[in-house]
Amino acid sequence: DAMVIQNPRYQVTQFGKPVTLSCSQTLNHNVMYWYQQKSSQAPKLLFHYYDKDFNNEADTPDNFQSRRPNTSFCFLDIRSPGLGDAAMYLCATSSDRGLGYTFGSGTRLTVV
Amino acid sequence: DQQVKQNSPSLSVQEGRISILNCDYTNSMFDYFLWYKKYPAEGPTFLISISSIKDKNEDGRFTVFLNKSAKHLSLHIVPSQPGDSAVYFCAASRTGNTGKLIFGQGTTLQVKP
Repeated sequence: DAMVIQNPRYQVTQFGKPVTLSCSQTLNHNVMYWYQQKSSQAPKLLFHYYDKDFNNEADTPDNFQSRRPNTSFCFLDIRSPGLGDAAMYLCATSSDRGLGYTFGSGTRLTVV
Repeated sequence: DQQVKQNSPSLSVQEGRISILNCDYTNSMFDYFLWYKKYPAEGPTFLISISSIKDKNEDGRFTVFLNKSAKHLSLHIVPSQPGDSAVYFCAASRTGNTGKLIFGQGTTLQVKP
C-alpha cells in the first residue's frame, strides 16, 4: 500500500543534542509538510517542500531545519532541542498543491 | 491568533445517537474545509471535506455543514458508533495557498456503548 512512513515512532533525545526525524513516502507526491503538535493543541505547520522548493513558516524557530534529498524522503533536523520542543511531529504529503493530506503516524519526541 | 477554533475539547455521546462537532474560523479567505480523525498513536486520516461553494456534503454516516456567513462548520455523525471514538480535527485552506492546512485544536469524541 502506498503510504507515508515516519521513523522512529518514539525518539528520546538529550537537551541540546541534535536530532533528526525522518519521513518517507511511496505516493510520489510533490509536496511534503512537517507539522508540530503539542498536547491538546492544533498541529502547527513548520515548513513544507514543493518538489525541491523549501517554504518556511514565518514563526518557525531557526532551531528547526529540513532537508529533502529526493521525492521520497524528507528530514526534520532540530539543531539544539529544548524542553519546549517535546511534541508529536507529523509528516504529511499531498499532490500538486492539492487539498487533503496523507499523514504519517508521527514521531513523538521527548527531550530529557 | 488562532484562525481555526474547536471550542469543545471533548464530547461524549451514546451509541446510536447523533454526534455534532463544531468548528469556527476567522479568515474569510478560506474556501476549503476538511475533517480529520485521529486515533491514539496514529496519524490523522482524512474523513470528509467541503468546498465553500457548497453548504452541505454527505458521505455515509458523516455530514459536514458549512455556514459561510457565520464562519462555522459542523460535522454530524449519525448514528454514532463506539469505533468513532477518536480525536477529530477541523482544518481549513484557501485555494492557491500551496495547499497549507490550518488546523483546529481537536475535539475528543467518546461514544459509549
